[in-house]
Amino acid sequence: QKEVEQDPGPLSVPEGAIVSLNCTYSNSAFQYFMWYRQYSRKGPELLMYTYSSGNKEDGRFTAQVDKSSKYISLFIRDSQPSDSATYLCAMTLNSGNTPLVFGKGTRLSVIA
Amino acid sequence: DVKVTQSSRYLVKRTGEKVFLECVQDMDHENMFWYRQDPGLGLRLIYFSYDVKMKEKGDIPEGYSVSREKKERFSLILESASTNQTSMYLCAVTVTGRNIQYFGAGTRLSVL
Repeated sequence: QKEVEQDPGPLSVPEGAIVSLNCTYSNSAFQYFMWYRQYSRKGPELLMYTYSSGNKEDGRFTAQVDKSSKYISLFIRDSQPSDSATYLCAMTLNSGNTPLVFGKGTRLSVIA
Repeated sequence: DVKVTQSSRYLVKRTGEKVFLECVQDMDHENMFWYRQDPGLGLRLIYFSYDVKMKEKGDIPEGYSVSREKKERFSLILESASTNQTSMYLCAVTVTGRNIQYFGAGTRLSVL
């Protein structure tokens, strides 16, 4: 079983739709969870950072962590064509030196 | 945010050449990472470094080496480039005290 599973897509939605992106993981010791956005031919950029379980909202983006189910989600409201990118989830055990474990990314296209 | 600069956006090299990929950060953070990213395989960790002259193998170190002589600079070396090392290479830096990685723009390397 892979440590982090993420559906690669591609996912195609119309502009204005609510998008749900998800990752599941196997290591219950993960404490810190992140979502990165990567535009084509660019490096990933941090979108959301959460600790432990719960929700975090930032504008049109909401990150959810359900540690009991080992499941994290990223919701995008009122999606825009500029949201078209690959979204990578990442997680780690602690806030120190442990390397992040990444999902393989989901490619999203928002069609105008 | 940390500024991470990778010296080249695109490189074309011949099989057997020695290749240097450079990564520089604009602050004094300890932890630096090299990944390669391939379609369908996601980000794979090659090497990382916790401090000057320190290095740790990641998941796929074969065929690569690294050098960290100064805190701000972390170099990835392909001793004898091969066609299967054609890939997107990404450098990342972790902010001290927070396990968030900031990425450079990437170097797209083609080995012919």
